[in-house]
Amino acid sequence: GPKVLQIPSHQIIDMGQMVTLNCDPVSNHLYFYWYKQILGQQMEFLVNFYNGKVMEKSKLFKDQFSVERPDGSYFTLKIQPTALEDSAVYFCASSRDISNERLFFGHGTKLSVL
Amino acid sequence: GEQVEQLPSILRVQEGSSASINCTYENSASNYFPWYKQEPGENPKLIIDIRSNMERKQTQGLIVLLDKKAKRFSLHITDTQPGDSAMYFCAASDYNQGKLIFGQGTKLSIKP
Repeated sequence: GPKVLQIPSHQIIDMGQMVTLNCDPVSNHLYFYWYKQILGQQMEFLVNFYNGKVMEKSKLFKDQFSVERPDGSYFTLKIQPTALEDSAVYFCASSRDISNERLFFGHGTKLSVL
Repeated sequence: GEQVEQLPSILRVQEGSSASINCTYENSASNYFPWYKQEPGENPKLIIDIRSNMERKQTQGLIVLLDKKAKRFSLHITDTQPGDSAMYFCAASDYNQGKLIFGQGTKLSIKP
């Protein structure tokens, strides 16, 4: 089936540093998402993105977070500066359309902030 | 509100029996309800979904029911097997917003 690729699979970083998580969405998909999952808990919506713009962001999407997809390359989530509570698995997802469309998830990037 | 509530959080059933997971949602505009299965260290994988124009859908041992009036939907796994052991998440989204709001998850364990 369609695949969403995420790089890296695991990132260890010191608190206060910047980190960029990369996502390669399914090729004909237009809508992109980031979700955060703390071990054993639910997936929490962070942000969705379409046509170069953020469509909606949740309360979890702090000012230190930003997303972009320059020139159709990776869809990225940048955290600057990182905090201890940012440690989690971040899942990227994409869908072809906005309404009633299936989201396909990548394998996640496990972020460990020390 | 946008909350999706999922119960139970832990479910243990005997192999061969059925397992049921229930979810309720708050947003009356919700019209798409997928179910995801997540194994340890893996990404969530869509196993079945239902749209608001249906009340029941069945595929390969999975049944989903949707009661729009009660804002409730459920997953039923018939004839459970050891490979069904995993976390299961329900979710809901609406036409305008598109984002999925997930339930808290159910850890399903199948006892041999």
